[in-house]
Amino acid sequence: EAEVAQSPRYKITEKSQAVAFWCDPISGHATLYWYRQILGQGPELLVQFQDESVVDDSQLPKDRFSAERLKGVDSTLKIQPAELGDSAMYLCASSLNGAGANVLTFGAGSRLTVL
Amino acid sequence: DQQVKQNSPSLSVQEGRISILNCDYTNSMFDYFLWYKKYPAEGPTFLISISSIKDKNEDGRFTVFLNKSAKHLSLHIVPSQPGDSAVYFCAARTSGNTPLVFGKGTRLSVIA
Repeated sequence: EAEVAQSPRYKITEKSQAVAFWCDPISGHATLYWYRQILGQGPELLVQFQDESVVDDSQLPKDRFSAERLKGVDSTLKIQPAELGDSAMYLCASSLNGAGANVLTFGAGSRLTVL
Repeated sequence: DQQVKQNSPSLSVQEGRISILNCDYTNSMFDYFLWYKKYPAEGPTFLISISSIKDKNEDGRFTVFLNKSAKHLSLHIVPSQPGDSAVYFCAARTSGNTPLVFGKGTRLSVIA
């Protein structure tokens, strides 16, 4: 079964350091999402891509977060510098266009701990 | 302002009985609703969905009911099994290629 690949699964870093997360969506899925889930909360959208273009990054803290999907396939989410409040699960998801767009398929996530 | 609300953080049910998880929403533009299930250290997995033109959708042990006038949906699991123990997220979206908006989740514990 096709799946969304994410790495690393776990990352521990000190505050003020830089961290990066990688996501490879399901082949053929044009739309890619990065969500953040803080413990006890639901996932919250950080950024949405349609192919290589950003569709929605209104909730992305742009002073420290950046995301790119240069060739419209895999994507990288970067945080620099990391802060204590960034500790969370970072989830990547992808979806088809058209009739399949309603269901997002999530990866296993990257859990970040900032010390 | 939370657009999707799951007011019960946790629910405990005996094996074999019915589990009912509830979700309320405030945005009348939502036209598609989904339930996701999440185990610890894993990403959410899609469970079942319903379009706003329907009031019920059933898939095996799982049934989702939608009451548009009350802006309320519920997920019924019957019979509940220990493997159903997980966090369940309600999610909704408006039409078009818009992102899902999630509730905070309800932790279901099915006791053998």
